[in-house]
Amino acid sequence: ETGVTQTPRHLVMGMTNKKSLKCEQHLGHNAMYWYKQSAKKPLELMFVYSLEERVENNSVPSRFSPECPNSSHLFLHLHTLQPEDSALYLCASSQDGQGATNEQFFGPGTRLTVL
Amino acid sequence: RKEVEQDPGPFNVPEGATVAFNCTYSNSASQSFFWYRQDCRKEPKLLMSVYSSGNEDGRFTAQLNRASQYISLLIRDSKLSDSATYLCVVRLYTGGFKTIFGAGTRLFVKA
Repeated sequence: ETGVTQTPRHLVMGMTNKKSLKCEQHLGHNAMYWYKQSAKKPLELMFVYSLEERVENNSVPSRFSPECPNSSHLFLHLHTLQPEDSALYLCASSQDGQGATNEQFFGPGTRLTVL
Repeated sequence: RKEVEQDPGPFNVPEGATVAFNCTYSNSASQSFFWYRQDCRKEPKLLMSVYSSGNEDGRFTAQLNRASQYISLLIRDSKLSDSATYLCVVRLYTGGFKTIFGAGTRLFVKA
């Protein structure tokens, strides 16, 4: 596997379900990100991890819970979501979380539908 | 005012045309600028960084105007494969680095 992978690619869940999104990067990067992309809106940064420590959390509801067990893996645990949480969830990684030049490499995303 | 603003388009152009997009940013602490490309139902990918002196990569030219706080992307000799959404990305420093994506400009190149 190369680059950034995400599973599952598609997920349909009810509002009472608990599910997790998984991201894995094979690039040797130290920073990983979760973004939410809704139709016709800019990517919204949700969480940033640098060297496995959370360095940014942009006022995301607590029904989204990230976990970064090591620098290659990132999870997003979901529970009691709302229909408006339906979106494409993109994971990205970069060499580090700081620095002016910070090319981010994105995974293919998980398309989430909350019923 | 949005931190990064783009014309959503869509821009519909014939093959071979030249097309230009602008992107404005509101925070003067912005330090780095990028154009990403996102194909339909795919992830964003870096197209090119934007340097102060302007830079060119084949048919693509990027310019930065710090005084007016905008960046531009020019595509010459458009190809069908250029059809995509082009995301303007700004990286700024406010005690720590922060990356902000624009909502994107959609481009359709037609035969």
